[in-house]
Amino acid sequence: AQSVTQPDIHITVSEGASLELRCNYSYGATPYLFWYVQSPGQGLQLLLKYFSGDTLVQGIKGFEAEFKRSQSSFNLRKPSVHWSDAAEYFCAVGELTGTASKLTFGTGTRLQVTL
Amino acid sequence: SQTIHQWPATLVQPVGSPLSLECTVEGTSNPNLYWYRQAAGRGLQLLFYSVGIGQISSEVPQNLSASRPQDRQFILSSKKLLLSDSGFYLCAWSLTGNEQFFGPGTRLTVL
Repeated sequence: AQSVTQPDIHITVSEGASLELRCNYSYGATPYLFWYVQSPGQGLQLLLKYFSGDTLVQGIKGFEAEFKRSQSSFNLRKPSVHWSDAAEYFCAVGELTGTASKLTFGTGTRLQVTL
Repeated sequence: SQTIHQWPATLVQPVGSPLSLECTVEGTSNPNLYWYRQAAGRGLQLLFYSVGIGQISSEVPQNLSASRPQDRQFILSSKKLLLSDSGFYLCAWSLTGNEQFFGPGTRLTVL
């Protein structure tokens, strides 16, 4: 069965500093990988996705992520964090089941940004 | 453009009462639909998904059920709520094999 590990429950960074959120997955085939962001009490917004091809993917809000098959990782990065980036971030791996895609999520990393 | 709606936004229900949460999608046809639950301090757990009208797949045994009476409508129900049913319920949609898009969620508190 597929699984996702986000080892950092909580991260605090200063505004303007760089950010890296870690994600490790377990999946038997080539994974579909996603990063979502959730503000308090809100739904999830897709930041970026990896299906195939270039292992460095660009997303919205200046985020990027790099797929490293040898490390089973899909870490999220941002060069300069803004206070509005404070939120919870979820990594997910997708499994195709017929026409549906079933997502398995990590437990999330809560990002706090200090001014 | 596509939009997804969920209601109610918040709900407080006594133990043993019934439940009905509704999710509708606009701007697309034949979507795959999903129900997730997010418990406090935990990630999201897939509860049900549907690839078409009347087609429901359950991922975990539980006190809940789902139905899809129309192409773009997905309903989560319970006959008798338990305390453990409290949580944040999220509906999502996708097209074949692609990313999922989430609704704003329903906060359910069972007392």
